[in-house]
Amino acid sequence: DAMVIQNPRYQVTQFGKPVTLSCSQTLNHNVMYWYQQKSSQAPKLLFHYYDKDFNNEADTPDNFQSRRPNTSFCFLDIRSPGLGDAAMYLCATSRSGQEDTQYFGPGTRLTVL
Amino acid sequence: DQQVKQNSPSLSVQEGRISILNCDYTNSMFDYFLWYKKYPAEGPTFLISISSIKDKNEDGRFTVFLNKSAKHLSLHIVPSQPGDSAVYFCAAIEGAQKLVFGQGTRLTINP
Repeated sequence: DAMVIQNPRYQVTQFGKPVTLSCSQTLNHNVMYWYQQKSSQAPKLLFHYYDKDFNNEADTPDNFQSRRPNTSFCFLDIRSPGLGDAAMYLCATSRSGQEDTQYFGPGTRLTVL
Repeated sequence: DQQVKQNSPSLSVQEGRISILNCDYTNSMFDYFLWYKKYPAEGPTFLISISSIKDKNEDGRFTVFLNKSAKHLSLHIVPSQPGDSAVYFCAAIEGAQKLVFGQGTRLTINP
């Protein structure tokens, strides 16, 4: 089945230790998104790629970076995780953005010790 | 500033009855609205959407109503089934690609 896959599902890191979250898709969609969702809050868009074009949200901290080496994969790098970065990180894809449906992966729950 | 608001964090409905989930928004530039459903340990899945040029969209047991003058939309599920128990997110599209979510409403369907 075509899908959005996130690895790992659960990630534990130490305060200040860099961590990378992975997302892959078999949908061949042009757009890939990363969202952060803290407990009982709305998912918040961090950034997205339209093909190779990177679009950062204005309020996304510099601590968060992303890479998209090819159509299928997108990575979220957190350079120096703080306690406040503990959250669920959701990856999503859409065919071309605009009003296209976004398809979400299961998320990676990040714990920062 | 929360542009999309779901003021009810939870809702409990008896099986077979109608579930009504509400959502308010503040940005009049939103032109497309969606509802997503989320089960525990899974990502949100698309449920139903509506364009701002319409006031109603129906798909089986699910109907979304949009009241642009009130900046309000609602999701009706009838009849409600136990499998409908999940967290429901209202979302709106701003600009070309940005999806803005509400905080979610946890719906519980009681047998």
